Amino acid sequence: SQQGEEDPQALSIQEGENATMNCSYKTSINNLQWYRQNSGRGLVHLILIRSNEREKHSGRLRVTLDTSKKSSSLLITASRAADTASYFCATRRGPSGNTPLVFGKGTRLSVIA
Amino acid sequence: NAGVTQTPKFQVLKTGQSMTLQCAQDMNHNSMYWYRQDPGMGLRLIYYSASEGTTDKGEVPNGYNVSRLNKREFSLRLESAAPSQTSVYFCASYATGPYGYTFGSGTRLTVV
Repeated sequence: SQQGEEDPQALSIQEGENATMNCSYKTSINNLQWYRQNSGRGLVHLILIRSNEREKHSGRLRVTLDTSKKSSSLLITASRAADTASYFCATRRGPSGNTPLVFGKGTRLSVIA
Repeated sequence: NAGVTQTPKFQVLKTGQSMTLQCAQDMNHNSMYWYRQDPGMGLRLIYYSASEGTTDKGEVPNGYNVSRLNKREFSLRLESAAPSQTSVYFCASYATGPYGYTFGSGTRLTVV
């Protein structure tokens, strides 16, 4: 069963605007990750945030985690047309390979030039 | 380039046929995974191998078998394909620690 649920399912914005995607999950986690998938391609890892972290940055990406609400958000600042893709959150209950990632259904982002 | 290689990229099968999807990684990762992706369903875990010599079922294992041939290779077999197995299949690998998965480019399988 899906652990994470992204919201919204689809998002369309103008180039230069910020894009915010949310993820809610059900059980306690060790870490939460965000991935990007361009059409017809495999997923690419963007950022990982541990359960004891509240915010993390990587370039134009900002991720927050609220474990009390079991939710996370991904903010992409100053969006570009190349950011058009599907974005997935994934959660892991433990740190080892014995606890596979569980993915949400994704948010489809369209950035219009 | 280092990464995860999946073969074939596309395949059409008739109902009842069998086939093996191949996956190999050259990053010396311990763990490997097979997911399927269907429209509106995200990625669902079929089987995984936390380390060489071990395999475990995921969320949707029925109709599939796997083999962890060695540390590099992890194959997925469909013994008797069904239309419900039409999907895009992704293999991924992972090195123990605070890292993400590395995914292959996928195999698009159609069962008619």
